[in-house]
Amino acid sequence: AQKVTQAQTEISVVEKEDVTLDCVYETRDTTYYLFWYKQPPSGELVFLIRRNSFDEQNEISGRYSWNFQKSTSSFNFTITASQVVDSAVYFCALSEAQAIYKLTFGKGTLLTVNP
Amino acid sequence: ETGVTQSPTHLIKTRGQQVTLRCSSQSGHNTVSWYQQALGQGPQFIFQYYREEENGRGNFPPRFSGLQFPNYSSELNVNALELDDSALYLCASSFPATFQETQYFGPGTRLLVL
Repeated sequence: AQKVTQAQTEISVVEKEDVTLDCVYETRDTTYYLFWYKQPPSGELVFLIRRNSFDEQNEISGRYSWNFQKSTSSFNFTITASQVVDSAVYFCALSEAQAIYKLTFGKGTLLTVNP
Repeated sequence: ETGVTQSPTHLIKTRGQQVTLRCSSQSGHNTVSWYQQALGQGPQFIFQYYREEENGRGNFPPRFSGLQFPNYSSELNVNALELDDSALYLCASSFPATFQETQYFGPGTRLLVL
């Protein structure tokens, strides 16, 4: 069975601080996908990134970066120079490669960025 | 915005009633998945519809059922509502040429069962 653990329930930072959201996953599959989604108060899940298990390269997109380490089953997300608009719940998710539509989500991390 | 729309936005029902939630997928997307998100939890996969048939199902009882229409819009039906069915219901659409495509979510329907 697949499992995603986001140990940080809530994080509070001051604007311009860097923040890292942790994600640890469990799967028996050799091929799988990892995702990060952002959920603002409006409720809509906003897709941020998808990474397949074959690609361990870290990725940077603007102020966002992701660190995928297969050896520790972790897929951490860092926001550099955080902004108030980054305040949201962030979810890490996992899917089998042959059933990418069936996402297993963690419980989410509530990030609050204070001015 | 993802182009995925859901209706209604909010709904209040009483225990034992039936409810129908609706989802219109992003243009060109022929697959719809439904998720249930209880308060303070991550979304849980209910099922997916592809070409008007259920293509996969999570750990939900048969009183959760769905439909997909030729225009790829979808309905989620829940019979015999229970208090624990109170949640945000999210639909997501994708265009899985090989079932590899990322899903894009709608804003959800908040259901309260009293």
